[in-house]
Amino acid sequence: QVQLVESGGGLVKPGGSLRLSCAASGFTFSDYYMSWIRQAPGKGLEWVSYISSSSSYTNYADSVKGRFTISRDNAKNSLYLQMNSLRAEDTAVYYCARVIGSSNAFDIWGQGTMVTVSS
Amino acid sequence: QSALTQPASVSGSPGQSITISCTGTSSDVGSYNLVSWYQQHPGKAPKLMIYEVSKRPSGVSNRFSGSKSGNTASLTISGLQAEDEADYYCCSYAGRSRWVFGGGTKLTVL
Repeated sequence: QVQLVESGGGLVKPGGSLRLSCAASGFTFSDYYMSWIRQAPGKGLEWVSYISSSSSYTNYADSVKGRFTISRDNAKNSLYLQMNSLRAEDTAVYYCARVIGSSNAFDIWGQGTMVTVSS
Repeated sequence: QSALTQPASVSGSPGQSITISCTGTSSDVGSYNLVSWYQQHPGKAPKLMIYEVSKRPSGVSNRFSGSKSGNTASLTISGLQAEDEADYYCCSYAGRSRWVFGGGTKLTVL
């Protein structure tokens, strides 16, 4: 079935780095735009980053621009988020989500991976 | 980009209808018919309920409907059921491959 599975979360110190992965299955990954969306504990959803199907275009929320890098490997059906210079306010569950291209909605979500930034 | 404005909570009794509003600006909700709504139960991933303002994905009950007027979008749930109790988030495309979410609304079924 159509599925997204995130991994790579964990505890990291402020200023540290972490790389999240998202494995896609059940659909032609290379046909779809993808995004990362996060949710701080007890808070709402926040869009983080977007990547086009061929990686030709990316974009980021102002809160992570210059610190986070989104990428994908269509041969491996995988999406990544490299997070550098992490701050306490980056603590959240990170979801990868598939984007319905023309509708700009997120139709498939992973289960999320928790990132905790704390000393 | 500021978050869209949603009421923090709404409630209704089984069988009743409720409406959740989502107010943005002329740069997001007002500019695009690309508002979507997500349902999230505790500890679970969000689920797409409405896209392009008023379209329902396959498998979503027709008790869920969406609309938009100006800078405000709305989600209406009719015939409330206990299983509808969850958090609901609106989201709007904001141009140049950017999105903005609402702060979320907790729906309580009394």
